[in-house]
Amino acid sequence: GENVEQHPSTLSVQEGDSAVIKCTYSDSASNYFPWYKQELGKGPQLIIDIRSNVGEKKDQRIAVTLNKTAKHFSLHITETQPEDSAVYFCAASKGSGGSNYKLTFGKGTLLTVNP
Amino acid sequence: DAGITQSPRHKVTETGTPVTLRCHQTENHRYMYWYRQDPGHGLRLIHYSYGVKDTDKGEVSDGYSVSRSKTEDFLLTLESATSSQTSVYFCAISGAKNEQYFGPGTRLTVT
Repeated sequence: GENVEQHPSTLSVQEGDSAVIKCTYSDSASNYFPWYKQELGKGPQLIIDIRSNVGEKKDQRIAVTLNKTAKHFSLHITETQPEDSAVYFCAASKGSGGSNYKLTFGKGTLLTVNP
Repeated sequence: DAGITQSPRHKVTETGTPVTLRCHQTENHRYMYWYRQDPGHGLRLIHYSYGVKDTDKGEVSDGYSVSRSKTEDFLLTLESATSSQTSVYFCAISGAKNEQYFGPGTRLTVT
């Protein structure tokens, strides 16, 4: 089955700096890669996703890049703010319906943005 | 939380007792999922459903059963709770485009 590795497990940055979280996946058939943000005591929140037919996607201060050849994808947060502090999860799935909708998650990155 | 509610939000129960967690959605989405979240393991899929009465196992299904008699409700049952099932349980839903949206979670403690 699919295996998703996520690095680093913790990341501390100064407010205004950029943060990058990286994930690798094992199944070359995976084609859907979402990122989730989880604040303490809450459920994971979908913040951005990318499908395998594109290499990059941006939404304001957040961007995701995908390298299908190397089987890795990354989350980039620019101009970080204290409210960006949370645990971030990457995930992967084949995304073609039925059981292929199952997501396999990385183990998470605790991002701390220091004022 | 994308029209997803989970009940109860917190529960403490004793080893050997049955427990049922409920997930309710108002989005009319076809797919529903149950995950557990534990430190060091991230989110792991327990069971999922791809329609009314259609369910299948995930990667950590032992000790759990599910039922889906209506589109809006997905129940997770621990027939005889064990301490290893102490966890935070999340329900998620997805529609045709595969994006999964999560509920607020249920914190279960088995003593």
